[in-house]
Amino acid sequence: AQTVTQSQPEMSVQEAETVTLSCTYDTSESDYYLFWYKQPPSRQMILVIRQEAYKQQNATENRFSVNFQKAAKSFSLKISDSQLGDAAMYFCAYSSGTYKYIFGTGTRLKVLA
Amino acid sequence: DAGVIQSPRHEVTEMGQEVTLRCKPISGHDYLFWYRQTMMRGLELLIYFNNNVPIDDSGMPEDRFSAKMPNASFSTLKIQPSEPRDSAVYFCASSLRTGRGNTIYFGEGSWLTVV
Repeated sequence: AQTVTQSQPEMSVQEAETVTLSCTYDTSESDYYLFWYKQPPSRQMILVIRQEAYKQQNATENRFSVNFQKAAKSFSLKISDSQLGDAAMYFCAYSSGTYKYIFGTGTRLKVLA
Repeated sequence: DAGVIQSPRHEVTEMGQEVTLRCKPISGHDYLFWYRQTMMRGLELLIYFNNNVPIDDSGMPEDRFSAKMPNASFSTLKIQPSEPRDSAVYFCASSLRTGRGNTIYFGEGSWLTVV
């Protein structure tokens, strides 16, 4: 069975600094998708970034980028130039062709002014 | 473009009452998902539909829960009778299959408190 593990329950970063959130997963599939979602205090789940496993290139979205290591089954999120509005819970998620998503337990990110 | 729309945003009800949560997916999306989020269990998939047909309801906790999708633009999740342990945030999400995989988009959630 597929699993997603986020080993950091909480992280802190100074405003304008860079932080990396870790995610590992386990699967026997070769074709799948990985995602990072942000959940601010409003509780809405907001898609941050998406990575397709068959693509070698790491996805980037403005200040957000991923380090996708397929062999190691690792999918970390790097947030550059952290802003106060980045404070939230961040969930890593896995999806294969079944359209079921498997979510990690989340990492709470605090941004210090 | 309008996102996934859920109602009510907040609901407080007494144990034993019927609760109905509503969802309007993104227009054109062919998959609809209901998730529940609690501190103890995190995000759980309850049920999902494809083209209005329930595909997998293995996550529905028990017979008190039921979900319907009468048309492509509307779905309901009903709890009858409700219990305090049903207190959670319930998310509706939708996606469009685009040949290779999918990205799901969540609504703002319905906060349910059963007292």
